Amino acid sequence: AQSVAQPEDQVNVAEGNPLTVKCTYSVSGNPYLFWYVQYPNRGLQFLLKYITGDNLVKGSYGFEAEFNKSQTSFHLKKPSALVSDSALYFCAVRPYSGGYQKVTFGTGTKLQVIP
Amino acid sequence: NAGVTQTPKFRILKIGQSMTLQCTQDMNHNYMYWYRQDPGMGLKLIYYSVGAGITDKGEVPNGYNVSRSTTEDFPLRLELAAPSQTSVYFCASSYSEVNTEAFFGQGTRLTVV
Repeated sequence: AQSVAQPEDQVNVAEGNPLTVKCTYSVSGNPYLFWYVQYPNRGLQFLLKYITGDNLVKGSYGFEAEFNKSQTSFHLKKPSALVSDSALYFCAVRPYSGGYQKVTFGTGTKLQVIP
Repeated sequence: NAGVTQTPKFRILKIGQSMTLQCTQDMNHNYMYWYRQDPGMGLKLIYYSVGAGITDKGEVPNGYNVSRSTTEDFPLRLELAAPSQTSVYFCASSYSEVNTEAFFGQGTRLTVV
């Protein structure tokens, strides 16, 4: 069975510092990987995805994520955090194969950027 | 540019009552999904649909039903509401099943008392 682990319930970072939100996954075969962000009282919004190719994926709002196959990780990063980045972040995975495949979401990491 | 629209935003139900959560998308997406989000639990898939007239169960379908008579609409029906169904419900859609991201509605916060 596939799974996603986000080991930190909350990450605190000072404004202007780099941030990392961790994600590891387990899936049969190669993965499709996604990051979503959820602001209070809103639905999830897509940030970025890894399909194939370059291990460093760039997404919205200056976020990027690095796919590491050997460590089965897909950590979300940003060089300089903003207070407006404070939100709940979800990592998600599905198998790289045709037809409908279930997407599994992590439990979420709350990012708090401190002014 | 509406995207995925859910109604209502909030609802309080009494145990045993029924209701329908509405979901409409205007992006002509074939794939639609219902999730529930509970604190610290991430998102759990209730039902999904790969096109009009086709639906299937997700991880936690018990106590719910869906229909998909059109591409645009994917209502979720709660029969005999129970306190365990207190949650935030999200409808989502995607263009295809392969490598495309999902678009989410704003959610429905349901409390069963």
